Amino acid sequence: EPEVTQTPSHQVTQMGQEVILRCVPISNHLYFYWYRQILGQKVEFLVSFYNNEISEKSEIFDDQFSVERPDGSNFTLKIRSTKLEDSAMYFCASSQPGLVGSGELFFGEGSRLTVL
Amino acid sequence: RKEVEQDPGPFNVPEGATVAFNCTYSNSASQSFFWYRQDCRKEPKLLMSVYSSGNEDGRFTAQLNRASQYISLLIRDSKLSDSATYLCVVRYNRKLIWGLGTSLAVNP
Repeated sequence: EPEVTQTPSHQVTQMGQEVILRCVPISNHLYFYWYRQILGQKVEFLVSFYNNEISEKSEIFDDQFSVERPDGSNFTLKIRSTKLEDSAMYFCASSQPGLVGSGELFFGEGSRLTVL
Repeated sequence: RKEVEQDPGPFNVPEGATVAFNCTYSNSASQSFFWYRQDCRKEPKLLMSVYSSGNEDGRFTAQLNRASQYISLLIRDSKLSDSATYLCVVRYNRKLIWGLGTSLAVNP
């Protein structure tokens, strides 16, 4: 069964450092997303990506964050200068073309980021 | 009012019990509704979509009341493996808005 894969599964970093989280979406999916979930809190939308550009982003997704699809398979989230409050589980997701009527996102297992 | 609101629980029920979760949403123009399941420290997975006429998938029944902006999930004959957090998700245009989730523990 095709799946979304994420690396690393856990990253510990010092405040102020840059972090890149990597994702390989399902190959025939065209919409890609990053979500985050702070421990004990709800899943929060960060950004959606389609046709090589950001289609939507939340207030959380400020100038410290960027996304990239550097090749045909990877989808990355970069945090330029991490803050303590960036500590969370970051989920990558992908979906089939056209989200209208469909809420099925396929999630990766997540990358846990711990900022010290 | 929160965009999507759920009772966080936890709900502790014995095996075989019937349990119901509720969810309310604030945007009356919301277009689609879903229940996701999330196991502890795992990724969310779609459990079922929620249709206006109500829909059933095995032991799971979902209902939508657009007038009251209310969604429900009923689990019958609960199993130990149903223990998880159940997330109510509402779509407006291309944006999915997530509830905090309701925690369920099914006990032997």
